[in-house]
Amino acid sequence: AQSVTQPDIHITVSEGASLELRCNYSYGATPYLFWYVQSPGQGLQLLLKYFSGDTLVQGIKGFEAEFKRSQSSFNLRKPSVHWSDAAEYFCAVARGGATNKLIFGTGTLLAVQP
Amino acid sequence: DAGVTQSPTHLIKTRGQQVTLRCSPKSGHDTVSWYQQALGQGPQFIFQYYEEEERQRGNFPDRFSGHQFPNYSSELNVNALLLGDSALYLCASSLGGDEVSGHEQFFGPGTRLTVL
Repeated sequence: AQSVTQPDIHITVSEGASLELRCNYSYGATPYLFWYVQSPGQGLQLLLKYFSGDTLVQGIKGFEAEFKRSQSSFNLRKPSVHWSDAAEYFCAVARGGATNKLIFGTGTLLAVQP
Repeated sequence: DAGVTQSPTHLIKTRGQQVTLRCSPKSGHDTVSWYQQALGQGPQFIFQYYEEEERQRGNFPDRFSGHQFPNYSSELNVNALLLGDSALYLCASSLGGDEVSGHEQFFGPGTRLTVL
């Protein structure tokens, strides 16, 4: 069965520092991969997605992610974190085909120190 | 262009009651998926509707049912509410007929359901 693991439950970084959030997935083939962000009490906003092609994908708000097939990983990065980036981040996978249900990780809560 | 909208925003019910949540998809989208997000967890897939039919279902009991209308809006119904049904219920819309872009789902703000 497909699964998504986000090993870091809670991360704290200083404003201006770089950020990397980890995501590992379990699936036999290459899935579709996503990162979503959720601010408190809000729905999910798509940051970026990987379907195929270039394994380094750029998203909104200065985020990028790299797909590494050999490591079954899709880590999210940002070179310089802003206070407004404090939120919860979810990695998700979809199998492809006619149905596109998303399987989410448990999320990483990001705190940003001034 | 309106995004995905959900109503109500918040809802308080007691055990055993029934609840109906509503979702309007993003303009141009024809597929609606529902997710349950318990506190501190990632969203869990409940089911998906396309062309007014349930296309796929997650691991949720029959107490959870849904409907899609001809205008693509959707309802989620939960019967015989349990305390454990307390969660944020998220609706997501997408383009059902497209293999690639159909996997990009746009989420609404959610309905916070509290069961007492």
